[in-house]
Parts: sequence; C-alpha cells; structure tokens
Amino acid sequence: QQQVKQSPQSLIVQKGGIPIINCAYENTAFDYFPWYQQFPGKGPALLIAIRPDVSEKKEGRFTISFNKSAKQFSLHIMDSQPGDSATYFCAAIDSGGGADGLTFGKGTHLIIQP
Amino acid sequence: NAGVMQNPRHLVRRRGQEARLRCSPMKGHSHVYWYRQLPEEGLKFMVYLQKENIIDESGMPKERFSAEFPKEGPSILRIQQVVRGDSAAYFCASSPAGHSNTEAFFGQGTRLTVV
Repeated sequence: QQQVKQSPQSLIVQKGGIPIINCAYENTAFDYFPWYQQFPGKGPALLIAIRPDVSEKKEGRFTISFNKSAKQFSLHIMDSQPGDSATYFCAAIDSGGGADGLTFGKGTHLIIQP
Repeated sequence: NAGVMQNPRHLVRRRGQEARLRCSPMKGHSHVYWYRQLPEEGLKFMVYLQKENIIDESGMPKERFSAEFPKEGPSILRIQQVVRGDSAAYFCASSPAGHSNTEAFFGQGTRLTVV
C-alpha cells in the first residue's frame, strides 16, 4: 500500500516556467514533509521541508504549499532553470511516533528546457 | 567535513554470491539508515541502526539481508545469495545523536547489479 502518492511521473517545463509537483498522503500521523532533489548518479539531497502547522514555506525559488484537510502538499519552483532538471521526491514521516524511516513518493522526473 | 561515504559506488555480483555494502556516516553522526531504490521507484526504508544496535528493521526482507553498525568502523549492509531482484541502488543516510530521521543526510549510494 503506497502511503505517499506523487504526481506527475514526469514533467517538462520551459525555462522561467513554474513546475508544480503534487503529493497526497494517507497517514494522518505524518507530521514532517520534506522534498528531496536527486541528480543522476547522486544521492537525494534535502531541498525544503514543512510541518503541518503552516500552509506555506518558501526558501529561495522553492515553495511548499500544504493543505492539511486535503492531506496534500505540493512543490513549486519559481523561475525554473535548466539546472533544476532532476528527479524530485516528496516524503513524509511521523517524527514523534514509532516509524523511523521516511516514506517516499515514487518521484517526478523534471526537465527544464532552455 | 566529508559527507556520508558509501562504497563501493558500483558492485556487480553473480546470482548466489554475497554483497557487502559499506556506509561511513558523517563525522559526529551515530545514527544510520539504509534505503533501497528500485528503478523508477522512490526510496524504501530498510533499517535504522545506532552504534551496536538495530533500532528498527521493519523494512528489511526477512531472509538473506542483514545490517550492522559496530562500535568501530562503517555500517555494513549484507545481502547473502543475491538474486536478480536485489539489483537496485542502496542509499545510506546518517543523522546526529538526538536527532530524528528528519535531520538525515544521504550518501551517493551503491548501485548493485546482479547478473
């Protein structure tokens, strides 16, 4: 049973556009929602994260929007650049509970065309 | 300050052989997590270890897989009698004592190919 559903699977956006990646979760105990960026041949790197007490968090060109009632959260990349082309994973965890591992979505392959 | 170091980066094993994957956490980190990434899939949690203790192995297959994090030296993920389905990228993450998985940093992974 997939606990974090991520969409779309792949996304192509023109440079300067705003790619949006969506995730939905089922476990209401999740209380920490990070996004990871992964380049080919590399490990995932933490990009930005949010807790459910806020509806939006912005760091540089990256913004997370969070809808607790809908159990959904999304990543927006402003003024996207070709260097943002990578695979993006959303994840979730119940940081205060018994689970010790992050639950990841299946990833979104993002291509920013020049 | 070196990051999380994993080796080897690439490992090829024949079916039935053993695979040993090593992970040296970041300096000062005493918590280690192992994840497996199948092609076109997200990462799947396998096991969480602290020095000399397995804390949570709920994501580990019951057979052929084992993990350790000794008092000295790297954490080892061991896969015995490998099969084709074990081919994947295996990532290690580490975090400092007193911090949860939310503070973990990932290594570059070991890509295991079983032929």
